[in-house]
Amino acid sequence: AQTVTQSQPEMSVQEAETVTLSCTYDTSESDYYLFWYKQPPSRQMILVIRQEAYKQQNATENRFSVNFQKAAKSFSLKISDSQLGDAAMYFCAWGESRGGSEKLVFGKGTKLTVNP
Amino acid sequence: DSGVTQTPKHLITATGQRVTLRCSPRSGDLSVYWYQQSLDQGLQFLIQYYNGEERAKGNILERFSAQQFPDLHSELNLSSLELGDSALYFCASSGRGAPPRSDTQYFGPGTRLTVL
Repeated sequence: AQTVTQSQPEMSVQEAETVTLSCTYDTSESDYYLFWYKQPPSRQMILVIRQEAYKQQNATENRFSVNFQKAAKSFSLKISDSQLGDAAMYFCAWGESRGGSEKLVFGKGTKLTVNP
Repeated sequence: DSGVTQTPKHLITATGQRVTLRCSPRSGDLSVYWYQQSLDQGLQFLIQYYNGEERAKGNILERFSAQQFPDLHSELNLSSLELGDSALYFCASSGRGAPPRSDTQYFGPGTRLTVL
């Protein structure tokens, strides 16, 4: 069974600084997707960024970028120029791509605090 | 706003009761997923429907059932409720068009269920 591990239950960063959230996963599949979702206090799950496993190039979305190391099964999220609005729980998720089933397997989450 | 709607936002009920949670996917999305978020289990995949048919099942209890209707909205039925069923239940949707391959899932705002 696939597992996703986020080893940092909590992280903090100063406003305007850079922070990296870690995620490792375990799978025997070769074709899959990886995601980072953000959950602010409103509890809404918001997609931050997505990475296809077959792509070597790391995904970027404005201030958010990933470091995808397929061999190491590592998928970290870097947030640059952190803003107060970035404070939230961040969940790493592995997405299946087989037989029409696309369930997501989530890590336990990392709570990010942004200090002014 | 993800375009996925869920009703009700909050639900308080007693043990042994039955409730129905409703989800309307984004316009054009064919897949609906249900997830449960609890403090001890984290975010867990329950079930997926694609165009009215069950596509994948996760850790869904026998007391729980779901269906997707011809207009693509979905309902999650929870019966014989126990205290441990208290959680945030999310619906997500994906898959505009022909068979999705780990298309991005967009989440609704969730239904918070409290069982007393």
